[in-house]
Parts: sequence; C-alpha cells; structure tokens
Amino acid sequence: KQEVTQIPAALSVPEGENLVLNCSFTDSAIYNLQWFRQDPGKGLTSLLLIQSSQREQTSGRLNASLDKSSGRSTLYIAASQPGDSATYLCAVYNFNKFYFGSGTKLNVKP
Amino acid sequence: NAGVTQTPKFQVLKTGQSMTLQCAQDMNHEYMSWYRQDPGMGLRLIHYSVGAGITDQGEVPNGYNVSRSTTEDFPLRLLSAAPSQTSVYFCASSSGASYTFGSGTRLTVV
Repeated sequence: KQEVTQIPAALSVPEGENLVLNCSFTDSAIYNLQWFRQDPGKGLTSLLLIQSSQREQTSGRLNASLDKSSGRSTLYIAASQPGDSATYLCAVYNFNKFYFGSGTKLNVKP
Repeated sequence: NAGVTQTPKFQVLKTGQSMTLQCAQDMNHEYMSWYRQDPGMGLRLIHYSVGAGITDQGEVPNGYNVSRSTTEDFPLRLLSAAPSQTSVYFCASSSGASYTFGSGTRLTVV
C-alpha cells in the first residue's frame, strides 16, 4: 500500500526566506506526483504536476523536483510571501487513485 | 464558472440518518472521485468512477455508496451515518492529469 509522508508538518518563516517542503512515498510505481495548495476552509488547488518521466517542474517562484527511485519529492518556494501561507499537500497518482500526504502547514510572517 | 460544485457546504446529521452529498461537474470529465479529509490524515479516497455506469472502491469505502448515471453527476450516499463519518468531503473530477476539486462539504454526525 502506497504511503505518503510530508515533513515538516508545520513551518513558520519570516517573509522573504527560501524554503523547502519534503514529500516521500513508499512505492516508486507512480504515474505522476502533484503538489496542491489548500487554504483554510477551501478546496485544493493544483500547483505543479510532475510526470513520472520528469525530474522537475517550475511555475513562477515554485519549483518541484521528483526522484522516483528514492521515493522523494521537494517543493521549493523562493522569496516567500505572506500570501503563500496555506497547507501544501503532496499526492502521488497511479491506477486512478491519488494517495495524499497529510500536508505541511506553512505560515509566512510579514 | 466551469468547475466542480458540491452541495451542501455544511450538514449536521444524527447517528443513523442517511443523506446524499451532491457533486456535479460541467467539464465533461470522465473521471470523478470522492475523498474525505480528516485532521492529520490527509485525504483518503472513498470511491471513484471512470465513466457513467462504472464505479469502484477506494481506500475507505465502508458506509458509503455511489452511482454514476450521468457524466456530470457523482453523488455520495451515507446509508446510516456514524460519528466516525464526521469529516470534510471533497469531490474531484479529471480529464487526464489535470484535477479539479470542489470546495468541500463539512459533515458532522452527532
């Protein structure tokens, strides 16, 4: 059974810092990996999708990497802003199913 | 606006009551799914459907039923609500790798 772990569970940083969120998964047989953002009381917004054949994806200040063989992904956020405060969820996808981590709750202080 | 619509947004049930959570999408997506989100546990897949007339179980299907009579709708039925079903429920639809989540239904069973 696929298990997805995210570390740390919570993170508080001052505005402007670069930061890394970590995601690990136990079964490397994945179709893709996605990073989502969830604001309090809201649904999930897809941030980045990495296909299993890719190593990284970038969108603005966000960069996600994937090392399938070691079962790891990282989400790098550059020059963090208070508006980045949210919970970030990692999910691996295979055989019509997403397996989610429990998320990293990020607080960026002004 | 195109997307996934979930109703109701909030619901309180008494133990033993039944109800249906509604999910509708207007993007003509073949794939739809239901997740529940509990504190510290991430999202877990309840049921999913790869097209009208086709459904399958996810990770935590017990106590829930689904049907898919049209491409647009994928209702989730709670047969006899239990306090353990207190959670936030998300519906998602997909065409290929792009996923769209609804804004969620917060259900409390007392």
